[in-house]
Amino acid sequence: SQTIHQWPATLVQPVGSPLSLECTVEGTSNPNLYWYRQAAGRGLQLLFYSVGIGQISSEVPQNLSASRPQDRQFILSSKKLLLSDSGFYLCAWSSTESNQPQHFGDGTRLSIL
Amino acid sequence: AQKVTQAQTEISVVEKEDVTLDCVYETRDTTYYLFWYKQPPSGELVFLIRRNSFDEQNEISGRYSWNFQKSTSSFNFTITASQVVDSAVYFCALSEGLKTSYDKVIFGPGTSLSVIP
Repeated sequence: SQTIHQWPATLVQPVGSPLSLECTVEGTSNPNLYWYRQAAGRGLQLLFYSVGIGQISSEVPQNLSASRPQDRQFILSSKKLLLSDSGFYLCAWSSTESNQPQHFGDGTRLSIL
Repeated sequence: AQKVTQAQTEISVVEKEDVTLDCVYETRDTTYYLFWYKQPPSGELVFLIRRNSFDEQNEISGRYSWNFQKSTSSFNFTITASQVVDSAVYFCALSEGLKTSYDKVIFGPGTSLSVIP
């Protein structure tokens, strides 16, 4: 069966520091991968999606970037964190078959001080 | 344009009561898919159900049931005999059927359900 792992679960970082959140998927090949952010008490905002290695699309301009160095690895990064980057970050995957449900990781709670 | 509305921001019910979570969607496509997800306090989103626009049959899974009505563009979710473990934020979502390379899913704002013992 497929599983998705996301880490770390919690992170506290100072303003201006770099960020790297990692997500890996097991049990499937060539998944579509997604990064979402959820601000406190708010809905889900799609940040990035990827349909293959090295293929990244950004949904909103921001201080973050994403990379997909391997088929089942998706990384969210920042060179300098802002206070507004605080939130709950969720990684998800879906089959490349159309309109399949997305399956989410456990999320990372990021607090910027 | 696509849009998903969940007008109920927060709902509180007493355990064993039935509760219905409303979802209204907008799309210009004739082929589309609807989803419900549950986000418990631990944070991860759990997929509950997927429905395509050509299947208006209602579905029941244990205490959960879904009522899809194209005439009113609604996909409502009912929990029967609610339990404390049902306390969570529930998201309704929409995906259009004609895809190029990936599935852009539009999530509603969510409804926070509290089941009081």
